[in-house]
Amino acid sequence: EPEVTQTPSHQVTQMGQEVILRCVPISNHLYFYWYRQILGQKVEFLVSFYNNEISEKSEIFDDQFSVERPDGSNFTLKIRSTKLEDSAMYFCASSEGTQYFGPGTRLTVL
Amino acid sequence: GQQVMQIPQYQHVQEGEDFTTYCNSSTTLSNIQWYKQRPGGHPVFLIQLVKSGEVKKQKRLTFQFGEAKKNSSLHITATQTTDVGTYFCAANTGTASKLTFGTGTRLQVTL
Repeated sequence: EPEVTQTPSHQVTQMGQEVILRCVPISNHLYFYWYRQILGQKVEFLVSFYNNEISEKSEIFDDQFSVERPDGSNFTLKIRSTKLEDSAMYFCASSEGTQYFGPGTRLTVL
Repeated sequence: GQQVMQIPQYQHVQEGEDFTTYCNSSTTLSNIQWYKQRPGGHPVFLIQLVKSGEVKKQKRLTFQFGEAKKNSSLHITATQTTDVGTYFCAANTGTASKLTFGTGTRLQVTL
């Protein structure tokens, strides 16, 4: 069964550093998303992406965040200058109707 | 913005007991979806309800969408230890739009 994959599974970084989280969506899906989940809390929407552009973004998705689909398979989330409060699980999802989530990247900012 | 609340936050049951989580929205929903997240895992899609008053069953799980399309429930009959996890309801305004997740109900099942 096709699935969304994400790398790395865990990323540790120093405050102020840039990180890139990578996702490979399910191959025939056209809609892509990033969500985050702070430990013990609910899943929060960050951004959605369709047809090579952002279709919607939340208040969390400020100028420090960007997304890109650099080739036909990868979908990336970049955080330019990480803050302590960016520590969370970041989930990628893809959809052709139903959203399917990847296993997540745990980001720890020290 | 849209807010989706769930109660209870946490429930601890003994294996074999039933479990219900309730999801309430501040606005009328076009659909409601349910996801399960195992400890340390990612949200896994369970089901989508679209019609007012709709009831769907998956083995021991029964999902219901309220008549006013502002609330939903998930009922598990005779829980098993494999049911452990957090159950989230989620809603979007249309196909492929963002999901707004509920606050989740964490279920713990002991023997």
